[in-house]
Amino acid sequence: KQEVTQIPAALSVPEGENLVLNCSFTDSAIYNLQWFRQDPGKGLTSLLLIQSSQREQTSGRLNASLDKSSGRSTLYIAASQPGDSATYLCAVRPRGSTLGRLYFGRGTQLTVWP
Amino acid sequence: SAVISQKPSRDICQRGTSLTIQCQVDSQVTMMFWYRQQPGQSLTLIATANQGSEATYESGFVIDKFPISRPNLTFSTLTVSNMSPEDSSIYLCSVEKSGTQYFGPGTRLLVL
Repeated sequence: KQEVTQIPAALSVPEGENLVLNCSFTDSAIYNLQWFRQDPGKGLTSLLLIQSSQREQTSGRLNASLDKSSGRSTLYIAASQPGDSATYLCAVRPRGSTLGRLYFGRGTQLTVWP
Repeated sequence: SAVISQKPSRDICQRGTSLTIQCQVDSQVTMMFWYRQQPGQSLTLIATANQGSEATYESGFVIDKFPISRPNLTFSTLTVSNMSPEDSSIYLCSVEKSGTQYFGPGTRLLVL
């Protein structure tokens, strides 16, 4: 069974810092990996989707990389802002799994203070 | 993309009662998914709901406890039956479109 681990569990930084959030997964046979943001009282917002054949994806200040062979992904946040404060979740879809079956990490709770 | 709404957004329920959660999607989708997020835990898939057929449940989840309806291609309900405090969680509805998974805002359930 796929297991997804996220490190660190929590992170508190001053505004302006560049951040790296880590995600690791035990089975490298994945179809894709997705990073989400979860705000209190709200659902999950998809940030970036990386297909298994891709190495990275970028959206604005966010960059996600994927190293399938080592079972790792990183989410890089440039020039962090207080509005980035949220919980960031990593999820993998195993190869051959049914549609919509994702395995999630527990998330990294990020606080960016002014 | 997909816009998903859920009702209720939150509820406090007594032990032994049942709660039905509604999920509405802004476009037709073949499959809808129900996830649970227990406090401090990761999201776990409960079941997959296809229109016109029985839902498919993941290991550890059974139809008697979590009956699901899927009357059309934009709507589904999840019922949490005979609730206990261990059912206190966030329940999220989800759909997949073009490889991206989209989630509703969730229903926060507290069972006393």
